[in-house]
Amino acid sequence: GAGVSQSPSNKVTEKGKDVELRCDPISGHTALYWYRQSLGQGLEFLIYFQGNSAPDKSGLPSDRFSAERTGGSVSTLTIQRTQQEDSAVYLCASSGSSSGNTIYFGEGSWLTVV
Amino acid sequence: AQSVTQPDIHITVSEGASLELRCNYSYGATPYLFWYVQSPGQGLQLLLKYFSGDTLVQGIKGFEAEFKRSQSSFNLRKPSVHWSDAAEYFCAVGGQAGTALIFGKGTTLSVSS
Repeated sequence: GAGVSQSPSNKVTEKGKDVELRCDPISGHTALYWYRQSLGQGLEFLIYFQGNSAPDKSGLPSDRFSAERTGGSVSTLTIQRTQQEDSAVYLCASSGSSSGNTIYFGEGSWLTVV
Repeated sequence: AQSVTQPDIHITVSEGASLELRCNYSYGATPYLFWYVQSPGQGLQLLLKYFSGDTLVQGIKGFEAEFKRSQSSFNLRKPSVHWSDAAEYFCAVGGQAGTALIFGKGTTLSVSS
């Protein structure tokens, strides 16, 4: 697609429920990233996929967070047993040789845990 | 440790005045440097990037940034600010192409008339 697409754009969930956030990267981009943006906290790196290599999961804050990338394209970030502190904007980004390896961001999924 | 520091949390400038947003980084390898802008409720838009070569880089919307290796800085400048420039600005550093970026905490720019 023309840009990085994320869904849902907004999600309100009850504490303890699981949520899935979806990211569709720019076509042809081999690298995909998830970041979390909390109020006043800047952007926190979560996970990075590059081609068929094992993902860099070093930023995932707890084992409640996981992500997968199917077929080297679409990615899903899953948060299990959500907590109120998980409320944030979850940003997906992608990069590839077609964009000079510059990272381009989607508009984010706003998650509110009540 | 790898990090990005944006010392100014909030800056207010008058419309038409010049702007400089500061960014300092700590990175163990050759840095790739970026500035992104985020308007309220929007995603991040790339303003400019530095990979190599000329240390003064031009970006979109009239912004420029200068890489100073000796000072580990990559400050963003604009000679004349417009009200539409009000937004949050993020500096970021990364390594070889495609690696994840480390972001600063951002600087919020307000523009007064």
